[in-house]
Amino acid sequence: GNSVTQMEGPVTLSEEAFLTINCTYTATGYPSLFWYVQYPGEGLQLLLKATKADDKGSNKGFEATYRKETTSFHLEKGSVQVSDSAVYFCALISGANSKLTFGKGITLSVRP
Amino acid sequence: GAVVSQHPSRVICKSGTSVKIECRSLDFQATTMFWYRQFPKQSLMLMATSNEGSKATYEQGVEKDKFLINHASLTLSTLTVTSAHPEDSSFYICSATQGVTYGYTFGSGTRLTVV
Repeated sequence: GNSVTQMEGPVTLSEEAFLTINCTYTATGYPSLFWYVQYPGEGLQLLLKATKADDKGSNKGFEATYRKETTSFHLEKGSVQVSDSAVYFCALISGANSKLTFGKGITLSVRP
Repeated sequence: GAVVSQHPSRVICKSGTSVKIECRSLDFQATTMFWYRQFPKQSLMLMATSNEGSKATYEQGVEKDKFLINHASLTLSTLTVTSAHPEDSSFYICSATQGVTYGYTFGSGTRLTVV
């Protein structure tokens, strides 16, 4: 079956620090990969996505590259801001099943 | 862009009562809607998938008689928590899609507290 593994959290960084959040996956076929962000008390928002190998998704300074050889989709940002403090979920869709499979999520806190 | 409205955002109810949560796609027709439950500091647990005009498909371990889902139109799905108990207190989130290629849009969630 499909699964998504995220690095353990929480993560606390100072403003302007470099961010990497690891995500690896197991899937049948050729999955589409996503990063979602959840701000406190809110639902999820799509941050970025990639639908095939070597694609790079990017948005709001965040990037993630679909690496089929390492089955990874790590999220990076060169300089985080306090406003980036949120929970980040890696997710995938694979095959005919239209359900999203989520990782456990990781809480990022950015201090001024 | 696609917008999903979820209402109410917060609700407090007494044990034994029922609560209805609405999920509306405002600017697109949602052929499929999903309902999730999220426990504190945990990931989203898919409860059920609903397609317009047909019965919802529940995930293993989710009581369909307790969590009633209705997807009567292409823009509205409802989740009714029947005979609520304190252990049903949680954050419930819906999402809607026109199809996989269009992506998934999430509602802002409903915080249910059963006292």
